[in-house]
Amino acid sequence: ELKVEQNPLFLSMQEGKNYTIYCNYSTTSDRLYWYRQDPGKSLESLFVLLSNGAVKQEGRLMASLDTKARLSTLHITAAVHDLSATYFCAVDGTGANNLFFGTGTRLTVIP
Amino acid sequence: EAGVAQSPRYKIIEKRQSVAFWCNPISGHATLYWYQQILGQGPKLLIQFQNNGVVDDSQLPKDRFSAERLKGVDSTLKIQPAKLEDSAVYLCASSLAIQSTEAFFGQGTRLTVV
Repeated sequence: ELKVEQNPLFLSMQEGKNYTIYCNYSTTSDRLYWYRQDPGKSLESLFVLLSNGAVKQEGRLMASLDTKARLSTLHITAAVHDLSATYFCAVDGTGANNLFFGTGTRLTVIP
Repeated sequence: EAGVAQSPRYKIIEKRQSVAFWCNPISGHATLYWYQQILGQGPKLLIQFQNNGVVDDSQLPKDRFSAERLKGVDSTLKIQPAKLEDSAVYLCASSLAIQSTEAFFGQGTRLTVV
């Protein structure tokens, strides 16, 4: 079974700081997703990465994918309080959107 | 565009009781998924439909869980009988097709088994 590991599990950072969340997975896949989840809410799609070397940016978040290393990163630049949420990476195990999720990174941005 | 609709939002039942959840996917989406999200964990796929056929149910505990999508649109997920460890949020998602690169999630049904 495909394994997806995220670290850190918990992240507390001050506003204005930068940090990176890491996502490692165990089996070759060409599709990797990043989702955001606010408490009590559903999953909001942030990025879809489809090829080696893919980089996508939206506001203060930037995601990248290295399929050879089986690693994706979510970089946060100059964090703001509104970014506080849990972030999940998910890997498509079969090419049919059968997603295997990491355990999530709970981010808290302190004003 | 209307999103994925789920009901109920919350459900509390006693162990050994039965429960059913309903999902209405985005109009025109052929693929529908049910995920289980236990508190503090990432979602885990239970079952995947393509129209009214099952694509993958390898992680569905078939002794107590069942799901159907009879007309290829709405879907129901049933648990009978429920166990304490079934307490979780049940998320429904849909995508335009299996090959689509994005799935849209509903708000989920939070089940508490006491």
